[in-house]
Amino acid sequence: QKEVEQDPGPLSVPEGAIVSLNCTYSNSAFQYFMWYRQYSRKGPELLMYTYSSGNKEDGRFTAQVDKSSKYISLFIRDSQPSDSATYLCAMTGANNLFFGTGTRLTVIP
Amino acid sequence: SAVISQKPSRDICQRGTSLTIQCQVDSQVTMMFWYRQQPGQSLTLIATANQGSEATYESGFVIDKFPISRPNLTFSTLTVSNMSPEDSSIYLCSVGRGGRETQYFGPGTRLLVL
Repeated sequence: QKEVEQDPGPLSVPEGAIVSLNCTYSNSAFQYFMWYRQYSRKGPELLMYTYSSGNKEDGRFTAQVDKSSKYISLFIRDSQPSDSATYLCAMTGANNLFFGTGTRLTVIP
Repeated sequence: SAVISQKPSRDICQRGTSLTIQCQVDSQVTMMFWYRQQPGQSLTLIATANQGSEATYESGFVIDKFPISRPNLTFSTLTVSNMSPEDSSIYLCSVGRGGRETQYFGPGTRLLVL
């Protein structure tokens, strides 16, 4: 079983839609949860960082962590064509980062 | 965050040769890491580059194949040795700020081995 599971998509939405991206994980020791955005031919960019359970909001982006279900989500409100990218979840306990495979998102104007 | 550059940005190499990838950070950092990203797969940690000591390699990666240098707190190199087509991938360096959980990535080096 993989440490982190993420639906690879691809996911296509119209501009202005609410996007929901999700990951599940198996290791209950994970305490730190991150979302990275990766544009084509670029390195991953740290988007959101959450410690333990709960919600964190930053502009149009909201990260949610449900440790009881081992499930994390990233919501994008009022999606824009510039949000088109691959979104990677990542998590760790105290050691190495474990990444999902990424979800490819396209926002259609 | 951190400004990270990598050289080369891409390369096409012949089987059996070696390529050295450079990673430069705009400020001193304690932790530097090297990852491999293959299509459809998760980012895979190759090793942690330790300043002043040998790198720490993850399972499945060995120093003879991926020698790493870390001469100071702003610079590291990864060499991919005796390359085969299976080494074709994107190689990324990252730095940790405050801990492993907040890592910032360079733009990557796209390697194609023929």
